[in-house]
Amino acid sequence: QKEVEQNSGPLSVPEGAIASLNCTYSDRGSQSFFWYRQYSGKSPELIMFIYSNGDKEDGRFTAQLNKASQYVSLLIRDSQPSDSATYLCAVKVGGGNKLTFGTGTQLKVEL
Amino acid sequence: GAGVSQSPRYKVAKRGQDVALRCDPISGHVSLFWYQQALGQGPEFLTYFQNEAQLDKSGLPSDRFFAERPEGSVSTLKIQRTQQEDSAVYLCASSYLVLNTGELFFGEGSRLTVL
Repeated sequence: QKEVEQNSGPLSVPEGAIASLNCTYSDRGSQSFFWYRQYSGKSPELIMFIYSNGDKEDGRFTAQLNKASQYVSLLIRDSQPSDSATYLCAVKVGGGNKLTFGTGTQLKVEL
Repeated sequence: GAGVSQSPRYKVAKRGQDVALRCDPISGHVSLFWYQQALGQGPEFLTYFQNEAQLDKSGLPSDRFFAERPEGSVSTLKIQRTQQEDSAVYLCASSYLVLNTGELFFGEGSRLTVL
């Protein structure tokens, strides 16, 4: 079992819709959770981080964390074509310093 | 510079050649990470430095891989006797202190192709 699992997609949504990206993790010691966006041929960039159970909103983005289910998700409201990218879920375990990434979900927002 | 700078951006090596990849992190960033990203995959952790100290090298796939950061700023990832399976993008990332918010600032990567 991989430490961080994501559906590779592609996930296709129409412009203006809500895109829902999901991630599960295996280590119950995981404490910090991150979503990075990676455009094709570019480097990852941080979108959001979440530490506590529940929802965290930032503009059109909402991160959701459920530690009991070992599940973290990212919702993108009013999806735009510019949101088309690969979204990487990353996890930091306990007091460690490294981030463990999933394989990423490719999102396509269609006109 | 304003961001993390990596060189070369593209490297083609013949199998068996040695390569060296350079990373110049954001000035003042204490933590430096190397990741390997194969096509269609997420970044895989290779190694971590805090200043000049290499605190974690658990992700280096073999003893052909070696990284250093002798003065606590620029880092070099060296791959000896390259193999085809080493073909990937090598990403360097830095952060100001040990990971708090998780904001790693990534360079554009060095794409290695081994023929």
